[in-house]
Amino acid sequence: AQSVTQPDIHITVSEGASLELRCNYSYGATPYLFWYVQSPGQGLQLLLKYFSGDTLVQGIKGFEAEFKRSQSSFNLRKPSVHWSDAAEYFCAVGARAGNTPLVFGKGTRLSVIA
Amino acid sequence: KAGVTQTPRYLIKTRGQQVTLSCSPISGHRSVSWYQQTPGQGLQFLFEYFSETQRNKGNFPGRFSGRQFSNSRSEMNVSTLELGDSALYLCASSLGRREGNNTEAFFGQGTRLTVV
Repeated sequence: AQSVTQPDIHITVSEGASLELRCNYSYGATPYLFWYVQSPGQGLQLLLKYFSGDTLVQGIKGFEAEFKRSQSSFNLRKPSVHWSDAAEYFCAVGARAGNTPLVFGKGTRLSVIA
Repeated sequence: KAGVTQTPRYLIKTRGQQVTLSCSPISGHRSVSWYQQTPGQGLQFLFEYFSETQRNKGNFPGRFSGRQFSNSRSEMNVSTLELGDSALYLCASSLGRREGNNTEAFFGQGTRLTVV
């Protein structure tokens, strides 16, 4: 069965510091991969996605993620965190074809301190 | 282009009552999925509708049901509400091609349901 693991429940970083959020997945084939962000009381906003091609994908708000097939990982990175990046981040995996729904990780809450 | 619209944003209901939530997808999107989000369980898939047909269903009791209309708008109904149904209910829309590669899902702001 498909699954997504986000090992870090909560991460605190200083404003201006770099960030890496981890995501590992279990899937039968090469999946589609997504990162979403959720501010308190809001819906999920798509940050970036990996479908195929270049394994380093760029997203909105200065985020990027790298797909590593050998490690079944899709880690999210940002070189310099801003206070407005404080939110919850979800990694998700989806099928390349067919109708199976997205499977989400439990999320990583990011706190940003001055 | 307008995003995914969910109404109402907030609801307070009493145990035993029923509730209907609404979702209007992005124009041109034919697939609507519903998710329940709680602090303990995270995001759990409820069901997906495509062209007025339920295409996928998660592991929820029959009290949870949905439907989709010809304009792709979707409603979700929960009958005989329980305290444990308190959650943020999120709707996601996507192109939802019948065959071939899937596309990304775009989420609404959610409906916060509180059962007292």
